Amino acid sequence: EDQVTQSPEALRLQEGESSSLNCSYTVSGLRGLFWYRQDPGKGPEFLFTLYSAGEEKEKERLKATLTKKESFLHITAPKPEDSATYLCAVQAYGTSYGKLTFGQGTILTVHP
Amino acid sequence: NAGVTQTPKFQVLKTGQSMTLQCAQDMNHEYMSWYRQDPGMGLRLIHYSVGAGITDQGEVPNGYNVSRSTTEDFPLRLLSAAPSQTSVYFCASNPGQGNTGELFFGEGSRLTVL
Repeated sequence: EDQVTQSPEALRLQEGESSSLNCSYTVSGLRGLFWYRQDPGKGPEFLFTLYSAGEEKEKERLKATLTKKESFLHITAPKPEDSATYLCAVQAYGTSYGKLTFGQGTILTVHP
Repeated sequence: NAGVTQTPKFQVLKTGQSMTLQCAQDMNHEYMSWYRQDPGMGLRLIHYSVGAGITDQGEVPNGYNVSRSTTEDFPLRLLSAAPSQTSVYFCASNPGQGNTGELFFGEGSRLTVL
């Protein structure tokens, strides 16, 4: 059974204070690992897809990295508008494109 | 281009009532799915569809029914609502082969069962 565990559950940062969110996963064969951002009362919004260990993707202040067992979402010099819940999900080989296994999310709060 | 549209946004039901959550997408996506989101549990897959006329069960299918008669629509039916079905429901779509695998989500439908 595929499993995804995210830590910490909640993270409070001061504006400009860099940090990382962790996503540990077990999957029979990884087709892709996904990061989403979710604002209160909204649906998740796609950020990145990572396919193989060693891969990195960047978008503004966010950088996602992948190893064989975990992924990190690094946030550099965050701003209050980066406050959101960040979700990690995996898709296994041989499964439908609509079928992801999600972690419980990390709630990020950035104070000015 | 509206993307994925869900209705209603909010609904209150009594135990035993039935209802349908509507989901429509205008991107001609092949794959559609329904997730529920509960505090501390993350998003869990209820049912999914790989094309018109084809559906399959996800992780938590009990108490829900789906059909896919067209590419655009993927309604979720609650047969006899129970308090345990109080949740936020998200519909999502994906283009299918040859893409990054990302899901496009609707805004969600918040359901309360009394």
